[in-house]
Amino acid sequence: DVKVTQSSRYLVKRTGEKVFLECVQDMDHENMFWYRQDPGLGLRLIYFSYDVKMKEKGDIPEGYSVSREKKERFSLILESASTNQTSMYLCASSSSGAREKLFFGSGTQLSVL
Amino acid sequence: AQKVTQAQTEISVVEKEDVTLDCVYETRDTTYYLFWYKQPPSGELVFLIRRNSFDEQNEISGRYSWNFQKSTSSFNFTITASQVVDSAVYFCALSEAPTDKLIFGTGTRLQVFP
Repeated sequence: DVKVTQSSRYLVKRTGEKVFLECVQDMDHENMFWYRQDPGLGLRLIYFSYDVKMKEKGDIPEGYSVSREKKERFSLILESASTNQTSMYLCASSSSGAREKLFFGSGTQLSVL
Repeated sequence: AQKVTQAQTEISVVEKEDVTLDCVYETRDTTYYLFWYKQPPSGELVFLIRRNSFDEQNEISGRYSWNFQKSTSSFNFTITASQVVDSAVYFCALSEAPTDKLIFGTGTRLQVFP
């Protein structure tokens, strides 16, 4: 069964901490994405990557960075966590090609205190 | 600009009722794809359907059906004879050229009561 795995289901961090959210996919997908989900706002794209060592800004990249050193792994980094980054973070992957469907992980609920 | 609107924030129905979830989109692309995803309480979004802009045929899959109308820029989703297991948040999404990233609506929470 194909899978996108996010390292933590729940995470609690302090303001100012550096936070790493990890995502691994086992489908050999080229594309990987990070979204955040907030009530009333739906899913908003933070960053995405079409290949190893490539990254593109999404709609709300401020306060975040990403790393993709290996094809299967895409990390989201909060350099200095703030309370407004409390959210559900969803990782997704897809194969290359026109408008392929996304496969999602179960999400990480991050609380920044 | 690309945009997806799901005007219904929350819908509650009783089991066996039919329910329609609305989705209206905006795009300047002539070629685009529309999607529906289901997010059950477990949190993981599950793909339901993808349609391209050249295929306006309605689609039926079991109790699920989709009505795509380019004239009104809508891609509505109907569940027939709803069940408790249909309770979830449903997202409509639009694939944006040339990056292929998905733009999501704000979602509709469906609650089906026994």
